[in-house]
Amino acid sequence: DAKTTQPPSMDCAEGRAANLPCNHSTISGNEYVYWYRQIHSQGPQYIIHGLKNNETNEMASLIITEDRKSSTLILPHATLRDTAVYYCIADNTGTASKLTFGTGTRLQVTL
Amino acid sequence: NAGVTQTPKFQVLKTGQSMTLQCAQDMNHEYMSWYRQDPGMGLRLIHYSVGAGITDQGEVPNGYNVSRSTTEDFPLRLLSAAPSQTSVYFCASSYHGRGQGGYTFGSGTRLTVV
Repeated sequence: DAKTTQPPSMDCAEGRAANLPCNHSTISGNEYVYWYRQIHSQGPQYIIHGLKNNETNEMASLIITEDRKSSTLILPHATLRDTAVYYCIADNTGTASKLTFGTGTRLQVTL
Repeated sequence: NAGVTQTPKFQVLKTGQSMTLQCAQDMNHEYMSWYRQDPGMGLRLIHYSVGAGITDQGEVPNGYNVSRSTTEDFPLRLLSAAPSQTSVYFCASSYHGRGQGGYTFGSGTRLTVV
Protein backbone atom coordinates (compact mmCIF):
# COMPACT_ATOMS: atom_id res chain seq x y z
CA ASP A 1 0.00 0.00 0.00
CA ALA A 2 1.13 3.53 -0.74
CA LYS A 3 2.28 5.64 2.20
CA THR A 4 0.05 8.58 3.08
CA THR A 5 1.02 11.83 4.80
CA GLN A 6 -1.39 13.94 6.82
CA PRO A 7 -0.92 16.99 9.05
CA PRO A 8 -0.97 15.93 12.71
CA SER A 9 -3.65 18.41 13.74
CA MET A 10 -6.10 20.99 12.44
CA ASP A 11 -8.68 23.34 13.91
CA CYS A 12 -12.01 24.34 12.41
CA ALA A 13 -14.77 26.64 13.59
CA GLU A 14 -18.18 25.09 13.99
CA GLY A 15 -20.34 25.64 10.93
CA ARG A 16 -17.39 26.14 8.63
CA ALA A 17 -16.09 23.63 6.12
CA ALA A 18 -13.28 21.42 7.32
CA ASN A 19 -10.79 20.54 4.59
CA LEU A 20 -8.45 17.72 5.55
CA PRO A 21 -5.55 17.13 3.14
CA CYS A 22 -3.76 13.88 2.43
CA ASN A 23 -0.69 13.30 0.34
CA HIS A 24 -0.25 9.92 -1.37
CA SER A 25 2.35 10.68 -4.03
CA THR A 26 3.34 7.02 -4.51
CA ILE A 27 -0.19 5.74 -5.04
CA SER A 28 -0.59 3.17 -7.80
CA GLY A 29 -3.32 3.04 -10.38
CA ASN A 30 -5.41 0.40 -8.63
CA GLU A 31 -5.25 1.84 -5.12
CA TYR A 32 -8.36 3.31 -3.61
CA VAL A 33 -8.21 6.16 -1.12
CA TYR A 34 -10.23 5.47 2.02
CA TRP A 35 -11.08 7.88 4.82
CA TYR A 36 -12.01 6.82 8.33
CA ARG A 37 -12.42 8.72 11.56
CA GLN A 38 -12.14 7.74 15.19
CA ILE A 39 -14.08 9.69 17.78
CA HIS A 40 -12.39 9.54 21.16
CA SER A 41 -11.80 5.85 21.93
CA GLN A 42 -14.58 4.42 19.79
CA GLY A 43 -14.04 2.05 16.88
CA PRO A 44 -13.07 3.77 13.61
CA GLN A 45 -15.93 4.81 11.37
CA TYR A 46 -15.83 4.54 7.60
CA ILE A 47 -16.48 7.88 5.89
CA ILE A 48 -15.89 7.63 2.16
CA HIS A 49 -13.61 6.15 -0.49
CA GLY A 50 -12.71 6.80 -4.11
CA LEU A 51 -10.44 5.76 -6.95
CA LYS A 52 -10.09 8.77 -9.23
CA ASN A 53 -13.42 10.54 -9.41
CA ASN A 54 -14.66 12.93 -6.77
CA GLU A 55 -17.14 11.32 -4.44
CA THR A 56 -19.86 12.65 -2.15
CA ASN A 57 -22.07 11.00 0.41
CA GLU A 58 -24.17 12.13 3.35
CA MET A 59 -21.12 12.57 5.54
CA ALA A 60 -18.48 14.19 3.35
CA SER A 61 -16.96 14.87 -0.05
CA LEU A 62 -13.72 13.45 -1.35
CA ILE A 63 -11.72 15.42 -3.88
CA ILE A 64 -8.89 13.52 -5.60
CA THR A 65 -6.44 15.44 -7.77
CA GLU A 66 -6.17 14.48 -11.40
CA ASP A 67 -2.70 12.96 -10.89
CA ARG A 68 -4.07 11.11 -7.82
CA LYS A 69 -1.11 12.17 -5.71
CA SER A 70 -3.24 13.93 -3.13
CA SER A 71 -6.79 14.18 -1.90
CA THR A 72 -8.92 16.32 0.37
CA LEU A 73 -11.74 15.24 2.63
CA ILE A 74 -14.34 17.96 3.03
CA LEU A 75 -16.81 18.13 5.90
CA PRO A 76 -19.10 20.88 4.57
CA HIS A 77 -20.49 22.15 7.88
CA ALA A 78 -18.36 20.93 10.75
CA THR A 79 -19.99 20.42 14.14
CA LEU A 80 -18.50 19.71 17.55
CA ARG A 81 -19.37 16.05 17.01
CA ASP A 82 -16.92 15.96 14.10
CA THR A 83 -13.99 16.37 16.50
CA ALA A 84 -12.00 13.20 15.89
CA VAL A 85 -8.85 11.70 14.41
CA TYR A 86 -9.19 11.33 10.64
CA TYR A 87 -7.24 8.64 8.80
CA CYS A 88 -6.45 8.66 5.09
CA ILE A 89 -5.50 5.21 3.73
CA ALA A 90 -4.41 4.03 0.31
CA ASP A 91 -5.44 0.44 -0.23
CA ASN A 92 -4.77 -1.71 -3.28
CA THR A 93 -7.05 -4.56 -2.41
CA GLY A 94 -10.07 -2.43 -3.11
CA THR A 95 -11.83 -4.10 -0.24
CA ALA A 96 -9.79 -2.55 2.55
CA SER A 97 -9.14 -6.05 3.88
CA LYS A 98 -5.70 -5.06 5.16
CA LEU A 99 -5.93 -1.44 6.13
CA THR A 100 -2.73 0.25 7.26
CA PHE A 101 -3.56 3.07 9.64
CA GLY A 102 -1.09 5.89 10.19
CA THR A 103 -1.39 8.46 12.96
CA GLY A 104 -3.99 10.57 11.11
CA THR A 105 -5.07 14.18 11.58
CA ARG A 106 -6.62 15.26 14.84
CA LEU A 107 -9.43 17.68 13.91
CA GLN A 108 -10.63 19.96 16.68
CA VAL A 109 -13.91 21.73 15.96
CA THR A 110 -14.43 24.78 18.17
CA LEU A 111 -17.26 27.18 18.90
CA ASN B 1 -29.00 -5.65 12.49
CA ALA B 2 -26.45 -5.42 15.31
CA GLY B 3 -23.37 -4.84 13.11
CA VAL B 4 -20.10 -5.99 14.70
CA THR B 5 -20.38 -7.17 18.30
CA GLN B 6 -17.32 -7.59 20.51
CA THR B 7 -17.25 -9.21 23.92
CA PRO B 8 -16.14 -8.57 26.57
CA LYS B 9 -15.83 -4.77 26.59
CA PHE B 10 -13.27 -4.79 29.41
CA GLN B 11 -10.95 -7.50 30.69
CA VAL B 12 -8.09 -7.73 33.16
CA LEU B 13 -5.75 -10.71 32.85
CA LYS B 14 -2.77 -11.90 34.80
CA THR B 15 0.46 -12.57 32.95
CA GLY B 16 0.42 -16.05 31.50
CA GLN B 17 -3.35 -16.45 31.41
CA SER B 18 -5.13 -17.21 28.17
CA MET B 19 -8.43 -15.90 26.92
CA THR B 20 -10.56 -15.48 23.82
CA LEU B 21 -11.92 -12.18 22.54
CA GLN B 22 -15.18 -12.75 20.73
CA CYS B 23 -16.28 -11.03 17.54
CA ALA B 24 -19.52 -11.62 15.66
CA GLN B 25 -21.13 -9.85 12.72
CA ASP B 26 -24.61 -10.27 11.25
CA MET B 27 -24.06 -8.53 7.90
CA ASN B 28 -22.87 -11.60 5.98
CA HIS B 29 -19.51 -9.93 5.40
CA GLU B 30 -16.80 -12.13 3.93
CA TYR B 31 -13.85 -10.15 5.30
CA MET B 32 -13.04 -9.86 9.00
CA SER B 33 -10.01 -8.48 10.80
CA TRP B 34 -8.54 -7.87 14.22
CA TYR B 35 -6.62 -4.71 15.08
CA ARG B 36 -4.95 -3.48 18.22
CA GLN B 37 -4.51 0.14 19.21
CA ASP B 38 -1.97 1.25 21.77
CA PRO B 39 -2.29 4.65 23.46
CA GLY B 40 -1.68 7.56 21.09
CA MET B 41 -1.05 5.31 18.13
CA GLY B 42 -2.87 4.16 15.04
CA LEU B 43 -4.37 0.72 14.60
CA ARG B 44 -2.18 -2.24 13.73
CA LEU B 45 -3.46 -5.34 11.97
CA ILE B 46 -3.11 -8.61 13.92
CA HIS B 47 -4.89 -11.23 11.78
CA TYR B 48 -7.46 -11.16 9.04
CA SER B 49 -9.76 -13.54 7.18
CA VAL B 50 -11.17 -13.34 3.66
CA GLY B 51 -13.77 -16.03 4.27
CA ALA B 52 -14.73 -19.01 6.40
CA GLY B 53 -11.80 -21.39 6.79
CA ILE B 54 -9.24 -18.84 5.55
CA THR B 55 -7.04 -16.74 7.83
CA ASP B 56 -3.76 -14.90 7.43
CA GLN B 57 -1.32 -12.89 9.52
CA GLY B 58 -1.18 -9.16 9.68
CA GLU B 59 1.51 -6.83 10.96
CA VAL B 60 1.67 -8.00 14.60
CA PRO B 61 0.47 -11.65 14.82
CA ASN B 62 2.81 -13.01 17.50
CA GLY B 63 1.05 -14.19 20.64
CA TYR B 64 -2.35 -14.41 18.97
CA ASN B 65 -4.33 -17.15 17.22
CA VAL B 66 -7.47 -16.93 15.13
CA SER B 67 -9.88 -19.28 13.39
CA ARG B 68 -12.87 -18.69 11.13
CA SER B 69 -15.21 -21.67 11.22
CA THR B 70 -18.29 -19.62 10.27
CA THR B 71 -18.88 -16.45 8.28
CA GLU B 72 -20.30 -14.73 11.37
CA ASP B 73 -17.61 -15.35 14.00
CA PHE B 74 -13.93 -14.51 14.19
CA PRO B 75 -12.51 -15.10 17.71
CA LEU B 76 -9.06 -13.90 18.73
CA ARG B 77 -7.15 -16.05 21.20
CA LEU B 78 -4.37 -14.82 23.46
CA LEU B 79 -2.24 -17.87 24.17
CA SER B 80 -0.23 -16.63 27.17
CA ALA B 81 -0.98 -13.01 28.03
CA ALA B 82 1.90 -10.56 28.47
CA PRO B 83 1.88 -6.93 29.67
CA SER B 84 2.87 -5.88 26.13
CA GLN B 85 -0.55 -7.07 24.98
CA THR B 86 -2.30 -4.42 27.06
CA SER B 87 -4.23 -2.57 24.40
CA VAL B 88 -7.61 -1.86 22.89
CA TYR B 89 -8.66 -4.53 20.40
CA PHE B 90 -11.00 -3.81 17.50
CA CYS B 91 -12.71 -6.31 15.26
CA ALA B 92 -13.97 -5.24 11.84
CA SER B 93 -15.79 -6.72 8.86
CA SER B 94 -16.48 -5.78 5.26
CA TYR B 95 -17.84 -7.07 1.98
CA HIS B 96 -15.56 -8.64 -0.56
CA GLY B 97 -15.03 -6.95 -3.89
CA ARG B 98 -13.14 -4.01 -5.31
CA GLY B 99 -14.66 -0.66 -4.61
CA GLN B 100 -17.02 -1.90 -1.94
CA GLY B 101 -17.62 0.22 1.12
CA GLY B 102 -15.18 0.15 3.96
CA TYR B 103 -14.93 -1.79 7.16
CA THR B 104 -17.50 -1.72 9.94
CA PHE B 105 -15.73 -1.72 13.30
CA GLY B 106 -16.87 -3.00 16.65
CA SER B 107 -16.73 -0.88 19.78
CA GLY B 108 -13.59 -2.53 21.07
CA THR B 109 -12.31 -4.66 23.95
CA ARG B 110 -10.08 -2.91 26.45
CA LEU B 111 -7.57 -5.43 27.75
CA THR B 112 -5.16 -4.92 30.64
CA VAL B 113 -2.51 -7.52 31.44
CA VAL B 114 -0.96 -7.23 34.88
